[in-house]
Amino acid sequence: GENVEQHPSTLSVQEGDSAVIKCTYSDSASNYFPWYKQELGKRPQLIIDIRSNVGEKKDQRIAVTLNKTAKHFSLHITETQPEDSAVYFCAASMDVGKLVFGQGTRLTINP
Amino acid sequence: DTGVSQDPRHKITKRGQNVTFRCDPISEHNRLYWYRQTLGQGPEFLTYFQNEAQLEKSRLLSDRFSAERPKGSFSTLEIQRTEQGDSAMYLCASTPPGTGSGNTIYFGEGSWLTVV
Repeated sequence: GENVEQHPSTLSVQEGDSAVIKCTYSDSASNYFPWYKQELGKRPQLIIDIRSNVGEKKDQRIAVTLNKTAKHFSLHITETQPEDSAVYFCAASMDVGKLVFGQGTRLTINP
Repeated sequence: DTGVSQDPRHKITKRGQNVTFRCDPISEHNRLYWYRQTLGQGPEFLTYFQNEAQLEKSRLLSDRFSAERPKGSFSTLEIQRTEQGDSAMYLCASTPPGTGSGNTIYFGEGSWLTVV
């Protein structure tokens, strides 16, 4: 089955700097790669997703890149703000609903 | 609010007791999923339904766990003879029909279970 590895497990950046979180997946059949932000005690919130027919997608300060050959994808957050502090999860799937999640990255934005 | 609804939001139970969680998906969403999330970990898939049919069950779903979706609308997840290791947040989610590029999964707020 699919296995998703996520790094780093914790990340601390200065406000205004960029943050990058990386994930690798094992199943080349996976074609859907969402990223979730989760605040303490809350549900995961989808922040951006990408499908295997594109290599990059951007939404304001957030971008995701996908390298299908290497089976890895990354989340990029630019101009970080204190409200970006949270736990971020990547996931991979052949099916929009049956997701395999990474272990999570705790992002802290220092003012 | 027309999102995925879960009840109860929090449950504290004694070891050995049975608990049941309910999920109401977004109306017209034919697929319903259950996930479990323990502290510090990502959500893990447990099972999913398409309409009333339970199509897949994870190995994580031991014999003490049972899920139903009798009329293809709401679903229940029952845990029998709870153990401390069952303490987690149980997330329900749903997706609309089809596999179009705009489809995504919608998570509920989760049901927190603490087994003491």
